[in-house]
Formats: sequence, C-alpha cells, structure tokens
Amino acid sequence: EIVLTQSPATLSLSPGERAILSCRASQSISTYLAWYQQKPGQAPRLLIYGASNRATGIPARFSGSGSGTDFTLTISSLEPEDFALYYCQQCSNWPRTFGQGTKLEIK
Amino acid sequence: EVQLVESGGGLQQPGGSLRLSCAASGFTFSSYSMKWVRQAPGKGLEWLSYISSSSTTIYYADSVKGRFTISRDNAKNSLYLQMNSLRAEDTAVYYCARQGYTYGRAAYYYMDVWGKGTTVTVSS
Repeated sequence: EIVLTQSPATLSLSPGERAILSCRASQSISTYLAWYQQKPGQAPRLLIYGASNRATGIPARFSGSGSGTDFTLTISSLEPEDFALYYCQQCSNWPRTFGQGTKLEIK
Repeated sequence: EVQLVESGGGLQQPGGSLRLSCAASGFTFSSYSMKWVRQAPGKGLEWLSYISSSSTTIYYADSVKGRFTISRDNAKNSLYLQMNSLRAEDTAVYYCARQGYTYGRAAYYYMDVWGKGTTVTVSS
C-alpha cells in the first residue's frame, strides 16, 4: 500500500499570503496524484488531478506540481474561503490512499 | 444538475448490517466507475471501494475486505454498499463519488462528483 505523508499538519497564514502544501509518496506514483479541499460539514471538492491539472471551475490561484514521490499544492494568494482541509490522494496503485490532510487556518 | 445522494445510514449495533445506497442523476451513470469513501469523526478521508462501470472490476480496502460488498444497478442509476459484521470503528460519514477521467498523454482518474454523505454509527 502506498503511504502519502502530508506536511505540515497545520499551516497558519493570513489572507493574501502564499500557501505551499506538501505531499510525499512512499514510492513513485508518476503524476497520478489528486488534491481535494474539504470545508467543515461538506464533502471534499476536487482541485487538482494528474498532479498539475486544475479541475473545472477551480481558480487559477490554485496550482499543483511534482512527480514521482514529491508533490506540492500552491495557493498563490489566499482568499478567506481557502481556509480549509486539504488532502492528496494517489491514483496509481490499488488500494487508492489519501494523505492524512493539512489544515490551512487563519493566522 | 449532476448529483449523487446517499441514503441508508443510521445507528446499528456491533455485528449488525446496513445497506447504503447512492442515487445518481444528471449524468450517464452506466458510463462511470464509482467509489465509496468514508470519514470517521474528526479523522481524514479513507478510500473504501471501487466498482467499474459494468461491475466487472471491484476493489476494496483491507479494512473492509470480506465484510463490505459494493454493487450497482445501472438500470436504476444506483450504487450500493452492503456492510456486514459492523464494528465501532466503522462509525463514519460515508460518501459515494464518481470517478471522472481524462485521457491525454496519460489516463488520469479522480473523484469529481461527491454526494453529501450519510452517517453510520455503530454502537451498542
């Protein structure tokens, strides 16, 4: 089973700042990685697939990069609605697995 | 509107069974693979199971293998999760999700449509 490790567990930033979230895989997954955003009481929402492709309707301030074992989700300038939980998920091997999540909170 | 609506959650005793349903609308259900994902209270997301569009391919997480069964009825636009031998640690919100796909230089799969979830509580 592929283990995904997200860091940091919590990221405290202010609106307008740049956020960089990390996801590391226990073995190479090429670019088969997706990122999801989840707000309290809501279902997850797809942000990024294929490591760097924005999903439909996702603002350009969200970008993804990486390949192999190291991946990054960058939010260029935080908006108030971006403070949420973020999960990475690998789509390379079965079983599919998620990272443990990064909580992006307002500083 | 593309939509998934889960139902069937509730309170069940340890060792009991529940059957979750997921009703799909707004898209051609029979063309998409589907998945179940759960989230225990205060915890992260856990992928549970996958079923291909024609039910020919099925996968499970080790945590539910042998206890849970995924199925679908394309004529009814519905996905199911039969949960047997329930344990306290199965307490969670259960989401169904559509597997979207993009074919280019590589084939990418992702969960692009999610239901709002149904809550399962296992307790005596």
